[in-house]
Amino acid sequence: DIVLTQSPGTLSLSPGETATLSCRASQSVSGSSLAWYQQRPGQAPRLIIYGASNRANGIPDRFSGSGSGTDFTLAISRLEPEDFAVYYCRQYGSSPRTFGQGTKVEI
Amino acid sequence: EVRLVESGGGLVKPGGSLRLSCEVSGFTLSRYWMNWVRQAPGKGLEWLSSISSTSSYIYYADSVKGRFTSSRDNAENSLYLHMTRLSAEDTAVYYCASGNTLDFWGQGTLVTVSS
Repeated sequence: DIVLTQSPGTLSLSPGETATLSCRASQSVSGSSLAWYQQRPGQAPRLIIYGASNRANGIPDRFSGSGSGTDFTLAISRLEPEDFAVYYCRQYGSSPRTFGQGTKVEI
Repeated sequence: EVRLVESGGGLVKPGGSLRLSCEVSGFTLSRYWMNWVRQAPGKGLEWLSSISSTSSYIYYADSVKGRFTSSRDNAENSLYLHMTRLSAEDTAVYYCASGNTLDFWGQGTLVTVSS
């Protein structure tokens, strides 16, 4: 199984700053099949990035994804209050599909 | 508007069974793989199962293999998860989600396993 390790566990930032989240895979992720999800408190997760770098519908361009192989990054520029949430990466290139443990972006 | 609505959660005793449903609208279910994901209280996301558009392929996480069964009825726009031999470790919010990239999610249904 591919293990995804996210870092840091918690990121403490202020509105307007840039968040940089890391997701490292234990093996190469096939076809850059890596997605990022945002989960606000009390809500279901929401897809924000797929294919490592493609924004999902309706996601502002403040969110950007990059990486390939085993190292992936989610960057959130100009943090807005609604961006403070937990972010999960997930690989869907190999079975079983696996999630990272999450990074909390807090004020 | 795409909507996924889970139902069927509740309190069940250890060793018991439960069937969850996920009713979808706003898209053609028969075109998509569908998935179940759960989240234990205060924990992260755990993929449970994926089922292909025609049910030809069904995959399970090791943690639920042999106990949970995914199925779907495209004509009824519904997805199901039949859960058996439940234990306290299965207590979680259960989500259904669409497509290979989990494009859309339901709001979740809470399953509590307790005596």
